[in-house]
Amino acid sequence: NAGVTQTPKFQVLKTGQSMTLQCAQDMNHNSMYWYRQDPGMGLRLIYYSASEGTTDKGEVPNGYNVSRLNKREFSLRLESAAPSQTSVYFCASSLVDKQFFGPGTRLTVL
Amino acid sequence: GDSVTQMEGPVTLSEEAFLTINCTYTATGYPSLFWYVQYPGEGLQLLLKATKADDKGSNKGFEATYRKETTSFHLEKGSVQVSDSAVYFCALSDRGYSTLTFGKGTMLLVSP
Repeated sequence: NAGVTQTPKFQVLKTGQSMTLQCAQDMNHNSMYWYRQDPGMGLRLIYYSASEGTTDKGEVPNGYNVSRLNKREFSLRLESAAPSQTSVYFCASSLVDKQFFGPGTRLTVL
Repeated sequence: GDSVTQMEGPVTLSEEAFLTINCTYTATGYPSLFWYVQYPGEGLQLLLKATKADDKGSNKGFEATYRKETTSFHLEKGSVQVSDSAVYFCALSDRGYSTLTFGKGTMLLVSP
């Protein structure tokens, strides 16, 4: 099992550009999550999906949209990137209360 | 709202020293408590958890006890190794669908 996979690993954008971060899990988990990690801030929840077909806002949803494409895939879209969105993004999925994390995407917005 | 407070790092120790990383929480209900570990360049991994008061979670020599009276979940290890160098996150889950609230993380550096 690959677990939780994320693409790309690294990305550099210019202000105003758009992009989609991809996440997939092969553990048949119902719930999936997107976090951002910033120095000194810990991890903050952007959006989550408790089950296929549902999504909900987390702590810091502004500037992001998500799509739960199917049970396996949960994508995060930046429609118009801003320098404040420079961060490391982690996708996770969960079985009951144990979350499994992907390796992260390091995004820089210039 | 829910919140988790951890001691600031970095915590710098010599190999075989005793480790304590403090964690306190604020929650409205009866949360589950977790410690996650992040090794350099990787995602987070669950280290241990406790789901009710007085439970002790343990894994790889690390332990933490859920103390409801002091709203704490301190992480301890009797003898750290260089390979324990990582960032440790305390977290809580206070909802049925298991969203997590994380502390800011504590970096541990262990020297030989």
